[in-house]
Amino acid sequence: EAGVTQFPSHSVIEKGQTVTLRCDPISGHDNLYWYRRVMGKEIKFLLHFVKESKQDESGMPNNRFLAERTGGTYSTLKVQPAELEDSGVYFCASSRKLALQETQYFGPGTRLLVL
Amino acid sequence: GENVEQHPSTLSVQEGDSAVIKCTYSDSASNYFPWYKQELGKRPQLIIDIRSNVGEKKDQRIAVTLNKTAKHFSLHITETQPEDSAVYFCAAFNAGGTSYGKLTFGQGTILTVHP
Repeated sequence: EAGVTQFPSHSVIEKGQTVTLRCDPISGHDNLYWYRRVMGKEIKFLLHFVKESKQDESGMPNNRFLAERTGGTYSTLKVQPAELEDSGVYFCASSRKLALQETQYFGPGTRLLVL
Repeated sequence: GENVEQHPSTLSVQEGDSAVIKCTYSDSASNYFPWYKQELGKRPQLIIDIRSNVGEKKDQRIAVTLNKTAKHFSLHITETQPEDSAVYFCAAFNAGGTSYGKLTFGQGTILTVHP
């Protein structure tokens, strides 16, 4: 089966601009997660969708970040306006269902650099 | 919420030696502990996981141990090879608590295996 895909792979933007990241989960996976790794630190949770509903968005840094998953398929994460501290690698992950200890499969990430 | 500490941050070994990476977690309700390997520029990939009802699990050269009482778990790699060089992340997961669905990661360990 195809893995989790993310687009773009890299994005370089200026402070104040808008960037939209896209994630296509593995087909049939109800759960979709966004994570971020900043400056070589740990991978941190941003939010979790179950189908099209936001289950947990406790990790979203502030209201400049907006995630959507219309129709319960792919998801977008928009940063508007971008700030320098938003630079990092944004990972998407998906899992089949929220059973106990369900494996999360990660995408390759989008490397965002805000100048 | 859950907090995961991972040590060491860097680990350098000679080919053929063993490598051990240790993690501690804070939430006694966490019940699933995956380990991910991330090679340079690639996606994090699950290499092994352990569930809270098991004390040890092996898969060829890698093994994971879990001590629920002490709330720590470790990754053991034997007969290391240069291709084992990567960043390794431990994580904790609680499917039923307030951190419903999300992985909490350690800070990562950069493992370098010298030929």
